[in-house]
Amino acid sequence: EAGVVQSPRYKIIEKKQPVAFWCNPISGHNTLYWYRQNLGQGPELLIRYENEEAVDDSQLPKDRFSAERLKGVDSTLKIQPAELGDSAVYLCASSLYSSYNEQFFGPGTRLTVL
Amino acid sequence: DQQVKQNSPSLSVQEGRISILNCDYTNSMFDYFLWYKKYPAEGPTFLISISSIKDKNEDGRFTVFLNKSAKHLSLHIVPSQPGDSAVYFCAASAVQVNRDDKIIFGKGTRLHILP
Repeated sequence: EAGVVQSPRYKIIEKKQPVAFWCNPISGHNTLYWYRQNLGQGPELLIRYENEEAVDDSQLPKDRFSAERLKGVDSTLKIQPAELGDSAVYLCASSLYSSYNEQFFGPGTRLTVL
Repeated sequence: DQQVKQNSPSLSVQEGRISILNCDYTNSMFDYFLWYKKYPAEGPTFLISISSIKDKNEDGRFTVFLNKSAKHLSLHIVPSQPGDSAVYFCAASAVQVNRDDKIIFGKGTRLHILP
C-alpha cells in the first residue's frame, strides 16, 4: 500500500513569490493534516481536515496561507507571498479517523525562501 | 511558552543497554500522549501512546511511563538496537469541544545507539 505522497520534495524560491505544496493521502483516509516543522523544532499543526471540511485551522496564518481539500482526497497548501521565516519542512499526514495515534506522515517538502 | 518540553537535545546509549527519553509538559488539560520516531528525510512514525488514565503502556521493546502529578513521561527502549538511532518526538493532545483537539510536539531528542 502506498504511503502519503508529497510533492515537491524540495523547493527554493525568492521571498514574495508564491509556492504550493501537494499531498495525496493514503487511500480511504478521511482525515488529513498539514504541519510545519522549523529547524530544531517539532511539527506544528497548521490545519486538519475531516473529508473536505477544515475542522481546525486555528494555527494557519490566514493572511498568507491557504489550503484546500477538494473532493476530500488530495490537498494543496499555498503560501502567497512567501517570507524568509516560512523556510521549513511542510509535512502532510493522514489517518482513517481523526486520531493522532493513527496518523501516517509523508516525507515532507523542504521549503527554502531566499 | 513551550507546553511540551524535551530538555535533552541528544542522547548516546550503548547497544543492548536501556535508552530513556524524557518529556515534561505544563498543560494539565493534556489527556493523551504520544511518541514518534523520525529518520532523516522521512516523516515521523507513530511509536507508542498512553492515555492519562494509565501510568504505563508497553509494546515490545518500548514502554512509556506517565507520572501525571509530575507532568512527566518517559520512553524506555530495551534493549537498544542500532536501528533505534533516530529523533524521538514527544507529543501531547487534549480533546476540546467541537472535535477541536490539539496536538503539541516537543522539540525532539536525537538518540544515538553506539556499537
